Amino acid sequence: DARVTQTPRHKVTEMGQEVTMRCQPILGHNTVFWYRQTMMQGLELLAYFRNRAPLDDSGMPKDRFSAEMPDATLATLKIQPSEPRDSAVYFCASGIGTPRAGELFFGEGSRLTVL
Amino acid sequence: AQSVTQLDSQVPVFEEAPVELRCNYSSSVSVYLFWYVQYPNQGLQLLLKYLSGSTLVKGINGFEAEFNKSQTSFHLRKPSVHISDTAEYFCAVSRLGNEKLTFGTGTRLTIIP
Repeated sequence: DARVTQTPRHKVTEMGQEVTMRCQPILGHNTVFWYRQTMMQGLELLAYFRNRAPLDDSGMPKDRFSAEMPDATLATLKIQPSEPRDSAVYFCASGIGTPRAGELFFGEGSRLTVL
Repeated sequence: AQSVTQLDSQVPVFEEAPVELRCNYSSSVSVYLFWYVQYPNQGLQLLLKYLSGSTLVKGINGFEAEFNKSQTSFHLRKPSVHISDTAEYFCAVSRLGNEKLTFGTGTRLTIIP
């Protein structure tokens, strides 16, 4: 059963520490998205890739966040340094793009708590 | 830019009763519309989508939605809900051919036994 895999599922860290979240998209999917979910802001798009190339990271705080796809099987989201306001659930999603644009498969999320 | 409004943050419904979750969108261009469901402590899962053609679209778990261009709405319906439908439901929009989704704030559906 193909699925998007995210690690870690839970992470508690202290302010100022570096956090790296990883995502393995579904094999054959060429688009990867990072979303952040909070009670206050809902689901926010942080970044997205097509064929490993970053297409849009306008939703991401550039000074502390970075997103990469070192290869087709791995996407990473890094926060350095982390702050309490970064506490949220971070979702990775993948898809095959056009003509099935918008049909995304989500991972179970990485719940981040920054103390 | 596109946007989505889900007017109801919470909807309680008795088991086996019908339900409608409302979604209105705003866009100056043609759009694709989606409903996603999020069960507790899980990621989102696609329920159904409208791309073109028939305005009534059927999805998984007995849900359906109707696209109404004049009212810019895409309401989700189910004729008889079950306890297992308890979840948060998100309406989403993307510009035609664009891969980016903009989500609404979600509607929490609670089923009362």
